[in-house]
Amino acid sequence: DQQVKQNSPSLSVQEGRISILNCDYTNSMFDYFLWYKKYPAEGPTFLISISSIKDKNEDGRFTVFLNKSAKHLSLHIVPSQPGDSAVYFCAASAMSEGAQKLVFGQGTRLTINP
Amino acid sequence: GAGVSQSPRYKVTKRGQDVALRCDPISGHVSLYWYRQALGQGPEFLTYFNYEAQQDKSGLPNDRFSAERPEGSISTLTIQRTEQRDSAMYRCASSSGTDYEQYFGPGTRLTVT
Repeated sequence: DQQVKQNSPSLSVQEGRISILNCDYTNSMFDYFLWYKKYPAEGPTFLISISSIKDKNEDGRFTVFLNKSAKHLSLHIVPSQPGDSAVYFCAASAMSEGAQKLVFGQGTRLTINP
Repeated sequence: GAGVSQSPRYKVTKRGQDVALRCDPISGHVSLYWYRQALGQGPEFLTYFNYEAQQDKSGLPNDRFSAERPEGSISTLTIQRTEQRDSAMYRCASSSGTDYEQYFGPGTRLTVT
């Protein structure tokens, strides 16, 4: 049972436009969410996170939105740049339950076209 | 400072052999995690240490898999009697314990022939 799902395996966006990556989860105990970015031959790199007590967190060009009632989060990248081309993973954890493990989605490959 | 390092980066072994994968976390990080990642999937949790104590090993697939972190720093993931289905990328991550972000190493690509 896939508790964290990224239903779009790939996304192509023009440079300068907004990239929106989506993630859905099923476990209502999840209360902390993270986005990771991965380049080829490297490990995933932490990008941005959000606690369930918030519905938005912003860091520069990156904003994560959390809709708890819909069990949905999204990552917005504005404006998109060629260096943003990578695989993006969302991950979730049930921190209030003492669970340290992250549950990852399958990833979305983002391609930014010049 | 230095990030998480893992060795070897690539390991090819014959079915039935034992392998040991090493993880060197970020200096001072108290928590260490092992994940396994299949092609086209996200990392999947295997086990987690807080200092030298193994707090959660619920993700280890079977008793051929074990991990240790005897001095609360470097960790070793051991797979005994390897099988072809063990072929995957094995990733290690560490965190400070005061925030929740985990920082990943480059991984060890294990191929069992």
